[in-house]
Amino acid sequence: KQEVTQIPAALSVPEGENLVLNCSFTDSAIYNLQWFRQDPGKGLTSLLLIQSSQREQTSGRLNASLDKSSGRSTLYIAASQPGDSATYLCAPNNNAGNMLTFGGGTRLMVKP
Amino acid sequence: GAGVSQSPSNKVTEKGKDVELRCDPISGHTALYWYRQRLGQGLEFLIYFQGNSAPDKSGLPSDRFSAERTGESVSTLTIQRTQQEDSAVYLCASSFQGRISGANVLTFGAGSRLTVL
Repeated sequence: KQEVTQIPAALSVPEGENLVLNCSFTDSAIYNLQWFRQDPGKGLTSLLLIQSSQREQTSGRLNASLDKSSGRSTLYIAASQPGDSATYLCAPNNNAGNMLTFGGGTRLMVKP
Repeated sequence: GAGVSQSPSNKVTEKGKDVELRCDPISGHTALYWYRQRLGQGLEFLIYFQGNSAPDKSGLPSDRFSAERTGESVSTLTIQRTQQEDSAVYLCASSFQGRISGANVLTFGAGSRLTVL
């Protein structure tokens, strides 16, 4: 059974800092891995998807890397802004597409 | 519609009552997923529908939980004889195909918050 751990569980930083969110998973036989953002009272928003054959994906100030063999992914946020405050969830996908396993998330607060 | 719509957004019920939660996926999305998120915890997979195939019910926690979907349209998650442990946010997601690829990421609804007193 896939187990996903996200560290840290919570993070508070001043605006402008670069930061790294970590995700580790126990079963490296994944098809892909997604990072999501969750805002209070709202659903999840997909940020980045990395295929198992890829090493990283970039979208704006976000960069996600994947080291499949070691069961690790990181989400790098450059020049953080208060609007980045949310919970960030990592979700590897182990099968043909019908189930993601989610980590507990990292709750990020960026202070102005 | 433009997004995944869930109703009700909030539901408070008494222990032992039955509840129904509704999900209206994005038009044309063949795959539909239900997840549960308890307070302060990660998302738990409940059930997955893909077109007219038999649903994957492997995540349903007990026989009090059931879900239906007619074709590629609305889905209803039913919880019978609710317990306090059922209190959670129930999230629905849909995608164009069952395979989650670069073009077919999941789109989530805002969720239905269930509180069982």
